[in-house]
Amino acid sequence: GAGVSQSPSNKVTEKGKDVELRCDPISGHTALYWYRQSLGQGLEFLIYFQGNSAPDKSGLPSDRFSAERTGGSVSTLTIQRTQQEDSAVYLCASSLVLQTPAFFGQGTRLTVV
Amino acid sequence: AQRVTQPEKLLSVFKGAPVELKCNYSYSGSPELFWYVQYSRQRLQLLLRHISRESIKGFTADLNKGETSFHLKKPFAQEEDSAMYYCALSEPSNTGKLIFGQGTTLQVKP
Repeated sequence: GAGVSQSPSNKVTEKGKDVELRCDPISGHTALYWYRQSLGQGLEFLIYFQGNSAPDKSGLPSDRFSAERTGGSVSTLTIQRTQQEDSAVYLCASSLVLQTPAFFGQGTRLTVV
Repeated sequence: AQRVTQPEKLLSVFKGAPVELKCNYSYSGSPELFWYVQYSRQRLQLLLRHISRESIKGFTADLNKGETSFHLKKPFAQEEDSAMYYCALSEPSNTGKLIFGQGTTLQVKP
């Protein structure tokens, strides 16, 4: 596909379980970004990657959140010991070089019950 | 602290009426400002950025540093403009990180 792809589209998990969210950026895009969209907090920055390194992790809400990117392509956002406040839509975006993201994925809707 | 404020949660206008979506920011320096749009059941996408001084889909936005505002305007609203609009800023030195406002839902009635 031509756009940023995220999987799964929806995820329901029990409180305390770990989840992994995946982002496939547009081919050739070196920069990748994670944001989340929640009712209470709106759109929040989580982390971005330039290549495989993450210069700014300041948006990760707690040490339960981590992200990695391998091969300069796919990225995984992992949330350990999920809490109900983690429920949100997690958005990924990518860009050719590090700049303001223009292309977002459709998001993963995470519901923690 | 850096902050983006969109004072209106909902803006409802009739088709053909002018639209102004308000955005104010708090930042010590010269940020870069953007508007994003999310149509119903579609992906979030960049609408325009202040440095480009462009008009997209008839929308324009002027950065007013004195008033620290970046309001989005369109002279004649269309029904297809109905969507959620987000104002955002980034630091010139850290363009990967966007700070978003809470968003304004624009509803254009026929």
